[in-house]
Amino acid sequence: AQKITQTQPGMFVQEKEAVTLDCTYDTSDQSYGLFWYKQPSSGEMIFLIYQGSYDEQNATEGRYSLNFQKARKSANLVISASQLGDSAMYFCATILTGGGNKLTFGTGTQLKVEL
Amino acid sequence: DTAVSQTPKYLVTQMGNDKSIKCEQNLGHDTMYWYKQDSKKFLKIMFSYNNKELIINETVPNRFSPKSPDKAHLNLHINSLELGDSAVYFCASSPPRGVMNTEAFFGQGTRLTVV
Repeated sequence: AQKITQTQPGMFVQEKEAVTLDCTYDTSDQSYGLFWYKQPSSGEMIFLIYQGSYDEQNATEGRYSLNFQKARKSANLVISASQLGDSAMYFCATILTGGGNKLTFGTGTQLKVEL
Repeated sequence: DTAVSQTPKYLVTQMGNDKSIKCEQNLGHDTMYWYKQDSKKFLKIMFSYNNKELIINETVPNRFSPKSPDKAHLNLHINSLELGDSAVYFCASSPPRGVMNTEAFFGQGTRLTVV
């Protein structure tokens, strides 16, 4: 079974600064997908970014980028120019080929953006 | 247009009662899921259905019974509710199995409180 580790239960960042949220995963599969989701205090789950295990370039979506280091099995999320609205819980998740499209989530990182 | 909608958003009920949560998606996806988010924000998959067929059942007590009348609906029925069932339940949907590079779309969640 795959295991996702997010070692930072809470993070603080100042507005306009960049922040990196860590995620490591443990799988023996060669083909898999990596996702980051945001959950604000209102509770909904918002998709942010996707990285495929065979993608050679790091994924980027606006202010979000994924620092994918396959050999280290890490998929850190980088948020540039933090905004107050980025304060939320952030979840890393993986999906395996043949796993029934099941997303397995990490324990999450609570990010607080300060003035 | 709401992609994945679940009702009710809030549900407060007494121990021992039976309750249902409904979920519908209008995305044309083949696969639907139920996730449970506990008080520590940990998200765990409960069930997954593909075209009305159960494909994942993650050691969930058999008091929980999913029902998929068609591929756009996946309802969750819970018998003999217990205090430990209090959580937020998320419905989600995704494209067919094997398509990894598309995210799962989540409903807004149902906060179940058992008293």
